[in-house]
Amino acid sequence: ETGVTQTPRHLVMGMTNKKSLKCEQHLGHNAMYWYKQSAKKPLELMFVYNFKEQTENNSVPSRFSPECPNSSHLFLHLHTLQPEDSALYLCASSLGTLNSPLHFGNGTRLTVT
Amino acid sequence: GESVGLHLPTLSVQEGDNSIINCAYSNSASDYFIWYKQESGKGPQFIIDIRSNMDKRQGQRVTVLLNKTVKHLSLQIAATQPGDSAVYFCAEGFNDYKLSFGAGTTVTVRA
Repeated sequence: ETGVTQTPRHLVMGMTNKKSLKCEQHLGHNAMYWYKQSAKKPLELMFVYNFKEQTENNSVPSRFSPECPNSSHLFLHLHTLQPEDSALYLCASSLGTLNSPLHFGNGTRLTVT
Repeated sequence: GESVGLHLPTLSVQEGDNSIINCAYSNSASDYFIWYKQESGKGPQFIIDIRSNMDKRQGQRVTVLLNKTVKHLSLQIAATQPGDSAVYFCAEGFNDYKLSFGAGTTVTVRA
């Protein structure tokens, strides 16, 4: 149990589908993040929410749409994805956004066909 | 992040030996550094962090060393065990949440 729970663990979707990834943290943290992890590449920051407010959108295409209804929950809505979007999507949380260690979930392995 | 010159993508270690994983970071202004471990099928797991006002920090079986002069970070694992087999990432940060991650070193422990 990592304290950060992501569902589903695996997702296969076609390019015309709409799906959502869910993340929940049980650590009492105030900041939540979405990262993309592709093979042989460093982790890429996608979005940051601090106290439910989006503070970072790292030039992510609009086919990825985040939602943070409260400090414990984070969603990533997906639509009209491309095959190159296939990757491991990791959610993380931290107590604050200043030099606080990130605590990651186990990710959603996304395959776009 | 990690520069190619000081980063070994793989490391093979005999069980019981000490492991040293190296990382070169790019921003001389970075003031926060962190090591993560990622096992197959799992997300990155926090190991240890260090701030730039320190040059060494110890945890349980792990030690992180920071050399700001040459922008080098290392993680030492004492008495390496089979459960230490994983990918290890370093990350650097400066005054905000935008941690910059390295590509990772895959550590394999030989029995």
